[in-house]
Amino acid sequence: NAGVTQTPKFQVLKTGQSMTLQCAQDMNHEYMSWYRQDPGMGLRLIHYSVGAGITDQGEVPNGYNVSRSTTEDFPLRLLSAAPSQTSVYFCASSYSSGGRQYGYTFGSGTRLTVV
Amino acid sequence: AQTVTQSQPEMSVQEAETVTLSCTYDTSESNYYLFWYKQPPSRQMILVIRQEAYKQQNATENRFSVNFQKAAKSFSLKISDSQLGDTAMYFCAFMLHTGNQFYFGTGTSLTVIP
Repeated sequence: NAGVTQTPKFQVLKTGQSMTLQCAQDMNHEYMSWYRQDPGMGLRLIHYSVGAGITDQGEVPNGYNVSRSTTEDFPLRLLSAAPSQTSVYFCASSYSSGGRQYGYTFGSGTRLTVV
Repeated sequence: AQTVTQSQPEMSVQEAETVTLSCTYDTSESNYYLFWYKQPPSRQMILVIRQEAYKQQNATENRFSVNFQKAAKSFSLKISDSQLGDTAMYFCAFMLHTGNQFYFGTGTSLTVIP
């Protein structure tokens, strides 16, 4: 059981380039989210999904795009990278059971540097 | 909107001693969940403990326990018998019962001193 798998672990981009951060989970979780972590700011929600075909914006969505065509995959696309997007990115998934929420399982993160 | 506040950016504790990390939150909702996550230098986010807001009993997980004060909107984490492996950043987090959003505090960096 791999949990939440993120690729790549490290990436350097030039300003203006685009790329996709991959995220896959094998736990059949309905909820998936992308966060960015910056020093002194905790984790901030970029986009989230409550199921296949359903996505919504979080706190800091500008410059990012997501889609969820399957339960397992939730890729994050950087449309035109900017230095302000230099950060550590986390993908996470969660589930509910019996009306209860059980918290998020996180991937190992992607450290992205935009130069 | 929901907010989570951790007012202690850094803390330290002697090995084998007890330390308490503070967290307050603000919400108008009555049905929610609270969590503490640990992030060691490896960067991995690890769930430490979970509390359901409708339960008055404080959650415990081995050396980790919480003091949940719903009226005061306070959710502190107590670590007993601190170990070197407890050195990490600790994040308090809030989730609505709908489960679609997770709100984090800015974290407390804990150092366990040998």
